[in-house]
Amino acid sequence: GAVVSQHPSRVICKSGTSVKIECRSLDFQATTMFWYRQFPKQSLMLMATSNEGSKATYEQGVEKDKFLINHASLTLSTLTVTSAHPEDSSFYICSASLGNTEAFFGQGTRLTVV
Amino acid sequence: GQQVMQIPQYQHVQEGEDFTTYCNSSTTLSNIQWYKQRPGGHPVFLIQLVKSGEVKKQKRLTFQFGEAKKNSSLHITATQTTDVGTYFCAGPGAGGTSYGKLTFGQGTILTVHP
Repeated sequence: GAVVSQHPSRVICKSGTSVKIECRSLDFQATTMFWYRQFPKQSLMLMATSNEGSKATYEQGVEKDKFLINHASLTLSTLTVTSAHPEDSSFYICSASLGNTEAFFGQGTRLTVV
Repeated sequence: GQQVMQIPQYQHVQEGEDFTTYCNSSTTLSNIQWYKQRPGGHPVFLIQLVKSGEVKKQKRLTFQFGEAKKNSSLHITATQTTDVGTYFCAGPGAGGTSYGKLTFGQGTILTVHP
């Protein structure tokens, strides 16, 4: 199946710094990618839809200035958590789909803000 | 907005026992997908159901889609320790014409005791 690669898998950063997470579709082009957030033992919550060549669409309650999304090419979307705080600590996962079928998820990034 | 409710939240079984998780949507779904997430891992696609009343089997797993396309279930026969993980159902995201935009149920965490 299609492969989505996410990097880094784990990151620890100091409060107030910014962290960039990359999501790549390795063997297909993805005009749209999705960013989810998952707290321990909870479900995946959609944060935003990343659109290649245009602005991302954010879900209600997600701060676009806090979570910057850039989708500059058909194979790469990035999520930057700006001025991170401990409450931003979470598991961030990206996904992409080939069509109206299954979604392929990246490995996820576990962010810890200290 | 669209909500997908999933029960139970936790299920502990002895190896060899059966397991079922249920999913209910507040609206009619065009399709429903099921994913499995191993501890520390990312969601992996299991199946997609599209037709009203559809039943699909994958070895010991049986998936059903309700006649009204508002509910679904996943049944595992004779659980094994390899079945451990969180099982999520997911419907199309609200307003989602973008393939791969998903609204996840809360997930059922399955523990199998050997």
